Amino acid sequence: KQEVTQIPAALSVPEGENLVLNCSFTDSAIYNLQWFRQDPGKGLTSLLLIQSSQREQTSGRLNASLDKSSGRSTLYIAASQPGDSATYLCAVCGGNMLTFGGGTRLMVKP
Amino acid sequence: KAGVTQTPRYLIKTRGQQVTLSCSPISGHRSVSWYQQTPGQGLQFLFEYFSETQRNKGNFPGRFSGRQFSNSRSEMNVSTLELGDSALYLCASSLGGAGPAYEQYFGPGTRLTVT
Repeated sequence: KQEVTQIPAALSVPEGENLVLNCSFTDSAIYNLQWFRQDPGKGLTSLLLIQSSQREQTSGRLNASLDKSSGRSTLYIAASQPGDSATYLCAVCGGNMLTFGGGTRLMVKP
Repeated sequence: KAGVTQTPRYLIKTRGQQVTLSCSPISGHRSVSWYQQTPGQGLQFLFEYFSETQRNKGNFPGRFSGRQFSNSRSEMNVSTLELGDSALYLCASSLGGAGPAYEQYFGPGTRLTVT
């Protein structure tokens, strides 16, 4: 059974810092990995999708890497802004379903 | 292109009642998945439909059921509601098909409160 863990559970940083969110999974037989953002009480916004054959994906200030063999992914956020404050979730896709981590709650202080 | 829509956005029900939630996927998407989000359990997979067929089901009791229509719209039903069913129910759509897994797009969710 796939298990996904995200560390840290919560993070508070001053504006402008570069930061790294971590995601680990137990079963390397995945099709892809997605990073999502969730604002309080809202749905999920897809940030980045990394196919199992890829090593990383970039979108603006976000960069996600994937190491399938070690069961790890990282989300790098450059020059953080208060608007980045949200919960970040990683999810691995094994077939037709996503298995989610518990999320990292990020607070970026002005 | 319109995103995934879910109705209603908020629901309050009492224990023992049943409820039906609706999800309209992005135009052209044929796969619809449902997830339950609670503070204690996080996001958990309920089921996935593709071309009106349930392809995958999570570890939930039979009180949770769903269906998909020919236009890809999907509904999920929860019968005999319990307090623990209070949650945010999220629907996601993707292109689906037999190829590699596609990117999932989520709707805003339906907040169900059971009293």
